Amino acid sequence: EDQVTQSPEALRLQEGESSSLNCSYTVSGLRGLFWYRQDPGKGPEFLFTLYSAGEEKEKERLKATLTKKESFLHITAPKPEDSATYLCAVQKYGNKLVFGAGTILRVKS
Amino acid sequence: EAGVTQFPSHSVIEKGQTVTLRCDPISGHDNLYWYRRVMGKEIKFLLHFVKESKQDESGMPNNRFLAERTGGTYSTLKVQPAELEDSGVYFCASSQDALVDTQYFGPGTRLTVL
Repeated sequence: EDQVTQSPEALRLQEGESSSLNCSYTVSGLRGLFWYRQDPGKGPEFLFTLYSAGEEKEKERLKATLTKKESFLHITAPKPEDSATYLCAVQKYGNKLVFGAGTILRVKS
Repeated sequence: EAGVTQFPSHSVIEKGQTVTLRCDPISGHDNLYWYRRVMGKEIKFLLHFVKESKQDESGMPNNRFLAERTGGTYSTLKVQPAELEDSGVYFCASSQDALVDTQYFGPGTRLTVL
């Protein structure tokens, strides 16, 4: 059965303290892996798409990487405004997204 | 460019009543998806439209849920009759090209069934 597991469930960082979020997956027919950010009361906001192992993408303080079984979202020198829930989702053939439960990130100043 | 919009933002209804949720996708996006998140669980797929046709409705929980997309523009999701376990947040997303294309999400409709 398709499964997407994110860890940790919650992460508290001090401003400037770099860390990584993990997304491991067991999915047949993977087309792509997506990272979204979700703020309270809002819908998921697109961050990155990764298509193949070894691929990396960066945006400001965020960098996403992909291997054959997992993806990492690295956060460098985070700021309080980076606080949000980060969602990982894999897209299968057929196009639907299979989501993980998310990692709640809190960055304190 | 306007994003995906959903209406209403919140709905509170009694068990047994009917509720209709609406989604307006990004203009020009042929693909429209419905997802929902129930309390404490991850976001789960409900169905996928390509224009006005249902491409995949494997995630629809039962026949109390009816989705339509007349004319290939906006979509509605009707729940009739609503049950307590239908409470959650219903998200709509759209994409331009179904082949590994980004799905952009709306803000969601929070449905509470009492």
